[in-house]
Amino acid sequence: DQQVKQNSPSLSVQEGRISILNCDYTNSMFDYFLWYKKYPAEGPTFLISISSIKDKNEDGRFTVFLNKSAKHLSLHIVPSQPGDSAVYFCAALDAGNNRKLIWGLGTSLAVNP
Amino acid sequence: KAGVTQTPRYLIKTRGQQVTLSCSPISGHRSVSWYQQTPGQGLQFLFEYFSETQRNKGNFPGRFSGRQFSNSRSEMNVSTLELGDSALYLCASSLRGRSGGEQYFGPGTRLTVT
Repeated sequence: DQQVKQNSPSLSVQEGRISILNCDYTNSMFDYFLWYKKYPAEGPTFLISISSIKDKNEDGRFTVFLNKSAKHLSLHIVPSQPGDSAVYFCAALDAGNNRKLIWGLGTSLAVNP
Repeated sequence: KAGVTQTPRYLIKTRGQQVTLSCSPISGHRSVSWYQQTPGQGLQFLFEYFSETQRNKGNFPGRFSGRQFSNSRSEMNVSTLELGDSALYLCASSLRGRSGGEQYFGPGTRLTVT
């Protein structure tokens, strides 16, 4: 059973607009969340993270929001650029399981010029 | 600082054979984790090594094994290959071994089993 769910397998956005990628989780023992970006034929690259004690973390064009009560987080990319086209993975650290990193299945983002 | 390196990058094997994949972490990183990526399953955790000891293990059969050397380099072995083992195998290293977060990934080894 997927503990980290990225319900949208794909997303298409116009260049310059906002991209919003969503992630839901089920385990209340998750205390740290990360987003990774992956280009074809490359390994995932760490993008941004957020601790469960915060509700927002911003780094340039990337902002992650965390809603603990809803067990939901989202990654906002503003403005979106064609180079952002990649697969985005949401991952969570399980504090109750030796801090194992649990991954979502990814969302493929296409930013159209 | 050099990134995580994995060898070989591509591999073709036949059913029943065994394969060994290699991973060299970022210098100074003592934690190495292995993942299997397939289109339908996303990233599946195989195991994590820290200072030559296996710390965490995913839900994979015993045909999948690994080890870590004193220089933190790690190898992953798959015996009696099956068609379903065809996947991208990713290695990731981390400075803060126990946290498991902010891992740095290698480019992966694409294994095809025929």
